[in-house]
Amino acid sequence: GENVEQHPSTLSVQEGDSAVIKCTYSDSASNYFPWYKQELGKGPQLIIDIRSNVGEKKDQRIAVTLNKTAKHFSLHITETQPEDSAVYFCAVNNFGNEKLTFGTGTRLTIIP
Amino acid sequence: DAGITQSPRYKITETGRQVTLMCHQTWSHSYMFWYRQDLGHGLRLIYYSAAADITDKGEVPDGYVVSRSKTENFPLTLESATRSQTSVYFCASSLAGGGEQYFGPGTRLTVT
Repeated sequence: GENVEQHPSTLSVQEGDSAVIKCTYSDSASNYFPWYKQELGKGPQLIIDIRSNVGEKKDQRIAVTLNKTAKHFSLHITETQPEDSAVYFCAVNNFGNEKLTFGTGTRLTIIP
Repeated sequence: DAGITQSPRYKITETGRQVTLMCHQTWSHSYMFWYRQDLGHGLRLIYYSAAADITDKGEVPDGYVVSRSKTENFPLTLESATRSQTSVYFCASSLAGGGEQYFGPGTRLTVT
């Protein structure tokens, strides 16, 4: 089955700096790569996703990049703000599969 | 517009007792999922359902039972709770199996 590795497990950055979280996956047929944000005491919520026919996608301060050859994708958050502090999960799917496979999560802390 | 709800939000039970966690969604999504979240393991899929009366095992199904007699409800039962089942449980739903999932607020279960 699919194996997803996520790094780092914890990340602290100064407010205003950038944060990068990386995930690698094993199944070369995977074609959908979402990122979820989980705030304290809440369920995860989709913040951005990318499909395999696209190399990069941006939404304001958030971007995701995909390298299908190397089988890794990354979440980039620029100009970080205190409200970006949360746990972030990457996930992977092949649309022939009904399920997402999640990474183990990254706890991001923004230092004021 | 309730979305997806879980009950109870917190539960303490004793080893060996049966406990049922409830999940209800108002979107008429076909797919529903149960995950458990533990430190260091991220989100692990317990069971999922593609439609009413159709369920399938995920990564960690042992000790759990599910049913789905109605599209909107997907209860998870621990038939004889063990301490290793102490966790935070999330229910999710999606329109398509491999697409965006919408998570409930979670149930924190403690087995003593």
